Amino acid sequence: DVKVTQSSRYLVKRTGEKVFLECVQDMDHENMFWYRQDPGLGLRLIYFSYDVKMKEKGDIPEGYSVSREKKERFSLILESASTNQTSMYLCASSLFQGQYFGPGTRLTVT
Amino acid sequence: DAKTTQPPSMDCAEGRAANLPCNHSTISGNEYVYWYRQIHSQGPQYIIHGLKNNETNEMASLIITEDRKSSTLILPHATLRDTAVYYCIVRVGLNAGNNRKLIWGLGTSLAVNP
Repeated sequence: DVKVTQSSRYLVKRTGEKVFLECVQDMDHENMFWYRQDPGLGLRLIYFSYDVKMKEKGDIPEGYSVSREKKERFSLILESASTNQTSMYLCASSLFQGQYFGPGTRLTVT
Repeated sequence: DAKTTQPPSMDCAEGRAANLPCNHSTISGNEYVYWYRQIHSQGPQYIIHGLKNNETNEMASLIITEDRKSSTLILPHATLRDTAVYYCIVRVGLNAGNNRKLIWGLGTSLAVNP
């Protein structure tokens, strides 16, 4: 079975802090994704990566950056966290067809 | 990518078949239909996908109409653990560039009742 793990299930950070969310997949998938999910808005794509060191902006990249130094790991970085970045963050990976998701990180910025 | 329309919520009795509809009237010839579900407080889970033929796996069956403008996900014997939000998405099957992206709607919230 594909396993996608995220570094934390719950995280509380202060406004202005730099935040790192880590995602690791164990199936040698080329593609990895970061989404955020908010009530009434559904899943929105922040960034995705289709190879090591390659990245593409999704629909809402502002305020975020990403890093993919190794194939299995995709990091989401909030350079200076703000309260409007309080959300559920979901990581996914895929090879050809279905995307496989991690359990999510619920981030609260106070 | 084509847009999909799903009912916001549905109910189903435990042990009965759950039939979840999805309209995708603007689907293109090379777009696949994907279904995912999300159980409360978990990440979405891939269920099944298809192009034009009906598909079945251990989780569900996917019925696509001949004109491909709509589809139905069937859970043959729904259990309480099938209570979740079900998402229908259409996407070009090529695994390149922006075709890797999925566009998520709000899905159908299925409640399986005892």
